[in-house]
Amino acid sequence: DAKTTQPTSMDCAEGRAANLPCNHSTISGNEYVYWYRQIHSQGPQYIIHGLKNNETNEMASLIITEDRKSSTLILPHATLRDTAVYYCIVRVSPLSTGRRALTFGSGTRLQVQP
Amino acid sequence: DAMVIQNPRYQVTQFGKPVTLSCSQTLNHNVMYWYQQKSSQAPKLLFHYYDKDFNNEADTPDNFQSRRPNTSFCFLDIRSPGLGDAAMYLCATSRDSGQGSGEQYFGPGTRLTVT
Repeated sequence: DAKTTQPTSMDCAEGRAANLPCNHSTISGNEYVYWYRQIHSQGPQYIIHGLKNNETNEMASLIITEDRKSSTLILPHATLRDTAVYYCIVRVSPLSTGRRALTFGSGTRLQVQP
Repeated sequence: DAMVIQNPRYQVTQFGKPVTLSCSQTLNHNVMYWYQQKSSQAPKLLFHYYDKDFNNEADTPDNFQSRRPNTSFCFLDIRSPGLGDAAMYLCATSRDSGQGSGEQYFGPGTRLTVT
């Protein structure tokens, strides 16, 4: 699975958009980009994933660059409850490899400020 | 609500005393995972079950075993816990439906303390 690079930490004002970047310059054509977050003392929570098109759901938007070497997770109106560690994970489809593990990197610690 | 449940949330065991952690799910997912997360580190996969097929990660110590008696339940057995096994243990599930996405749903975790 491709390696990802994320900033160690970020701050965001409550009510503003939080834009979390992720670099995955060695991504392969069959690898998906996943985002999870982990609020303190809880299990990780799935947010969103995509292959090459931008995606949006009720939690966030995922913007993937045309060359797929980087992506940005956008929380449109951050709240204090969004304070968490955000993990960007790149992995192949289990269909092609049988590998189902999520390989977590160090993630970005997002602190939403009141 | 469909969910992943882990019991207990906090477990204290003595050095060398076997301990079992439990996970149950109401999602009817066919894949179940166990992750270990040490303090200030990212979760690390120990093993997973794809239906009844057990898949061990290459670097998972032999001290860790798992059982999955049915679709809903999965257990993590630590045969002789050492101080280094103190961690949060996370259970997760996914539906491997053939569509390739298979996002994972995590339980709240069991924090294990070894004294």
